Amino acid sequence: QSVLTQPPSASGTPGQRVTISCSGSISNIGSNYVYWYQQLPGTAPKLLIYRNNQRPSGVPDRFSGSKSGTSASLAISGLRSGDEADYFCAAWDNSLSGPVFGTGTKVTVL
Amino acid sequence: QVTLRESGPALVKPTQTLTLTCTFSGFSLSTSGMCVSWIRQPPGKALEWLARIDWDDDKYYSTSLKTRLTISKDTSKNQVVLRITNMDPVDTGTYYCARCRVGAPYFDFWGQGILVTVSS
Repeated sequence: QSVLTQPPSASGTPGQRVTISCSGSISNIGSNYVYWYQQLPGTAPKLLIYRNNQRPSGVPDRFSGSKSGTSASLAISGLRSGDEADYFCAAWDNSLSGPVFGTGTKVTVL
Repeated sequence: QVTLRESGPALVKPTQTLTLTCTFSGFSLSTSGMCVSWIRQPPGKALEWLARIDWDDDKYYSTSLKTRLTISKDTSKNQVVLRITNMDPVDTGTYYCARCRVGAPYFDFWGQGILVTVSS
């Protein structure tokens, strides 16, 4: 069962900005970094954001992350059809002594 | 170039033990700070971390599955093996192995995943 809560879906038209929220608790997001993964249909997850707002090499700056208290957000600006995917947040959980993932948000480009 | 690939049975019966192998290249599990984790994803559901093995052979398990999991490594073969005992239909899903770094709880390279179905 997921410890981090995300909205099941989000959508936008090409070029729009979409924001995905991730809600946790003091034992995970409130005390540790947040990570975001993109999972394109039928593929393995790909690291999108690490340490709240850092992008790995090759990830466009259209993707940005932020964190405040026990919540985090992923923003996708200049939405493209290729951004249609499931997005998962993740964080270390001090109580569980392991990483926990969000419920996942499916982004649709209308 | 870092790559990981999962292998194992696609179908197991309830109560059986599942053995999955992760074969990787592009890094060594004998390098200080390296680790490999197993993560699974039931169909249409969220990811769930299962286990991790570090370069120095330290092992960590999901608290909810700890009694059923065993992780091991063969550094000479660049392989990590996960065993899950007493498989149940709820264990059906895609199993991934992924590279990680000790102290940094994220996964920078993932395998393609292997779908395991538990059914009689």
